[in-house]
Amino acid sequence: NAGVTQTPKFQVLKTGQSMTLQCAQDMNHEYMSWYRQDPGMGLRLIHYSVGAGITDQGEVPNGYNVSRSTTEDFPLRLLSAAPSQTSVYFCASRRTAAGNTIYFGEGSWLTVV
Amino acid sequence: GQQLNQSPQSMFIQEGEDVSMNCTSSSIFNTWLWYKQDPGEGPVLLIALYKAGELTSNGRLTAQFGITRKDSFLNISASIPSDVGIYFCAGPRTGTASKLTFGTGTRLQVTL
Repeated sequence: NAGVTQTPKFQVLKTGQSMTLQCAQDMNHEYMSWYRQDPGMGLRLIHYSVGAGITDQGEVPNGYNVSRSTTEDFPLRLLSAAPSQTSVYFCASRRTAAGNTIYFGEGSWLTVV
Repeated sequence: GQQLNQSPQSMFIQEGEDVSMNCTSSSIFNTWLWYKQDPGEGPVLLIALYKAGELTSNGRLTAQFGITRKDSFLNISASIPSDVGIYFCAGPRTGTASKLTFGTGTRLQVTL
């Protein structure tokens, strides 16, 4: 069972470059989300989606875009990478917005130089 | 944004010792969740608590939902090396079920 799959695992970007972190889940979950994890900050919600065609902002949305054209996929786009976006990014999904069992991907390590 | 405060930030313990950590918030939570993150991986759910005062166990792990609904505790008994990792508390604040707030994490190191 694949669960939540994120790519790439590691990426180095130059300041100003754009890129997309891919996320796919095969559990037919309605709810998907992106978090970033920084030392001493825990996990902070960037954007989330409660279903195909619906997205909303989390705690730290600036500099990131998302779209949800299908139930399975929820890509995260960095429009113009900045060193402050150096972080570990986790995609997560759960069956519904109110469900508590959230499944995380393995993470994407992003360095912006 | 709202954060959950966990303590201690890190712990170094010997194998076989018991571990206690807690999570506090200035806001009321209706659900408390405890996750463990192994190095290089995403967090995995350990225990979910749904009612004030609830005490729930999962093997050597026991978690409690505080009576005030503003705190929760996680205990690990007889620690083993594979308990190493970062433990996070999390929960949806009242009225925001679609947004989980995560704690700052407690890093656990176990020595032989």
